[in-house]
Formats: sequence, C-alpha cells, structure tokens
Amino acid sequence: QKEVEQNSGPLSVPEGAIASLNCTYSDRGSQSFFWYRQYSGKSPELIMSIYSNGDKEDGRFTAQLNKASQYVSLLIRDSQPSDSATYLCAVNPGGGNQFYFGTGTSLTVIP
Amino acid sequence: ETGVTQTPRHLVMGMTNKKSLKCEQHLGHNAMYWYKQSAKKPLELMFVYSLEERVENNSVPSRFSPECPNSSHLFLHLHTLQPEDSALYLCASSRAPGRGDYEQYFGPGTRLTVT
Repeated sequence: QKEVEQNSGPLSVPEGAIASLNCTYSDRGSQSFFWYRQYSGKSPELIMSIYSNGDKEDGRFTAQLNKASQYVSLLIRDSQPSDSATYLCAVNPGGGNQFYFGTGTSLTVIP
Repeated sequence: ETGVTQTPRHLVMGMTNKKSLKCEQHLGHNAMYWYKQSAKKPLELMFVYSLEERVENNSVPSRFSPECPNSSHLFLHLHTLQPEDSALYLCASSRAPGRGDYEQYFGPGTRLTVT
C-alpha cells in the first residue's frame, strides 16, 4: 500500500474557478502534512503546512485536514493560469525525519 | 529562491566518472536531505542528516555516498553510476524534529544524465 496517494490528473479548471486537490495517507499516526507546487522543470515549492484537524487559509489557498478519514485537501480559489503546475502532497508520519510524497496531481487552469 | 542552493544545475557523466553534487542552505536549519525524483514516481528520500548525523539511509546503492561537513553544507558523491540513475536530485533542509515546525525547503535541483 502506498503511503500517500493522489489522483495524478490531469485536473482542468477554468480561470476563476475553485480547484480541489485531494490526498489520502495510510499511517493513521501521521502528524504533519504539506502541500508543494512544482512547475515543470523546477523544484517543489512549499505552499502550506497543516498540523491540526480543520481548515487553514493562506490567501487563495485553503488546506483541509481530516485525520479520522486520513485525508488532506488543498483548495485554490479564483484559480489563475499561473497556478497550472503539479501539486505534491507530503506527510510526515511520526515527527521524525521521514517524509512521504505522493506522485502529484497535475493542474491546468484554462484561461 | 536562494535559501537552498545546489550546484551544478545540470550534469552529464559517463558510467565510469566520479562527480559530486553540492548543496548549501542559508536558512539556519539543522537537517538536510537528498531526494531523487524520477518521472512518474514519488520523490524518493535517499539520505537525511539531522544535527550533522546521518539518520536515514533508505537502501540507496553504495555508488551514492553522502557527506555533511556542517549543518549548512551537504554533498552527494557519485561514482560508477548506471543509466537508471539519471534523474533530478533535490536537496532540502528543515529544522530538526522536535525543534519547532519543520517544513522542508528545496533547492533548485541537479538534473543528472548518465550516459
């Protein structure tokens, strides 16, 4: 079983719409969760971290964590063409140095 | 992003060569990581140094050899690589566990091609 699973996409949304990206994880004891954006040919860029159940908002981005259901999601409001990228979900299971990444979801925002 | 730098950015090497990748972080972190990113695969954690001690070594072939002389610098020494080692090699840094939030920040990566 994969540690972190994401739909590979591609996910296409029109400009101005809400993009919803989902991630599930297998280790119920996981503590920390991260979303990264990766443009083609570039390295991952941290968007948000979330550690507690509920929502965390930062500008147009909202991370949602539900530990009971073992999923974490990222909502992008008012999507822009510049948001077109691959979004990686990462999980730190036990508070140590091990981080598990999903394969990423490719998002395309259509002008 | 200049918090984590990597050199070289691109590297082409033959299977018999020896080369080294360099990473430097300017974020005051005390944990550093090497990842391998291949197409269609999740990032693979190769090595972790926390407080200058190697704490993770995830079944990486011995042709990859890490070195962490201090908390700001990390090297990956390469020798007798195989074509399947061609990938993007990413360095990251974070605070050590137990010392506050430990988001990882990545360098720009080294695109390695083994011929």
